[in-house]
Amino acid sequence: DIQMTQSPSSLSASVGDRVTITCRASQSVSEHLNWYQHRSGEAPKLLIYGSSRLKNGVPSRFSGSGSGTEFTLTISSLQVEDFATYYCQQSDSTPLTFGPGTKVDIK
Amino acid sequence: QVQLQESGPGLVKPSETLSLTCTVSGGAISTYYWALIRQSPGKGLEWIGYIYNGGTVTYNYSLASRVTISVDTSKNQFSLKLNSVVAADTAVYYCARGRSSGGLGYFDYWGQGLLVTVSS
Repeated sequence: DIQMTQSPSSLSASVGDRVTITCRASQSVSEHLNWYQHRSGEAPKLLIYGSSRLKNGVPSRFSGSGSGTEFTLTISSLQVEDFATYYCQQSDSTPLTFGPGTKVDIK
Repeated sequence: QVQLQESGPGLVKPSETLSLTCTVSGGAISTYYWALIRQSPGKGLEWIGYIYNGGTVTYNYSLASRVTISVDTSKNQFSLKLNSVVAADTAVYYCARGRSSGGLGYFDYWGQGLLVTVSS
């Protein structure tokens, strides 16, 4: 299985801050890396697929980059609605696996 | 807008079979991947498997001996059966629609999730 790790596991930030989350894979996943936002009690939402492709309708303050084993999700200016847990997921090989999540809360 | 809704019992006894149905609205079930994903309390997300092309399935090998995913295109539904459940199968179970852009699937729509507790 491809193991996914994320750092940090949690962070506190203020509205307007730039936030960067890192996801690492235990072996290369090419650009087959996806990012999700999960607010408690809601359905998870796809933000980014294929490492850097923004899903239609997702605000442009979200961006993704990386290839191989290291990836980043950046929120350029954090908004109130962005406080949530973020997960990466590799889609390079089965079993598809997720990172453990990064919880973003209010400072 | 595609919507997915999970339904099924919220409580299952140990050694019995967990059954969950996902109803899809706003889109045809005959295309895309249709996936089951779960999240155990305090743990991360685990892909269970998916069904596509009207009946081809791929399972997480860790659960493959106990899992069956099926589809009913006439009802726009797909279903999960997980047999011989144990307490560790307690989780929120999500239905999701999968797509591919060269890889093996990302999930662009999810249901709200159904908490299933395994307990006597």
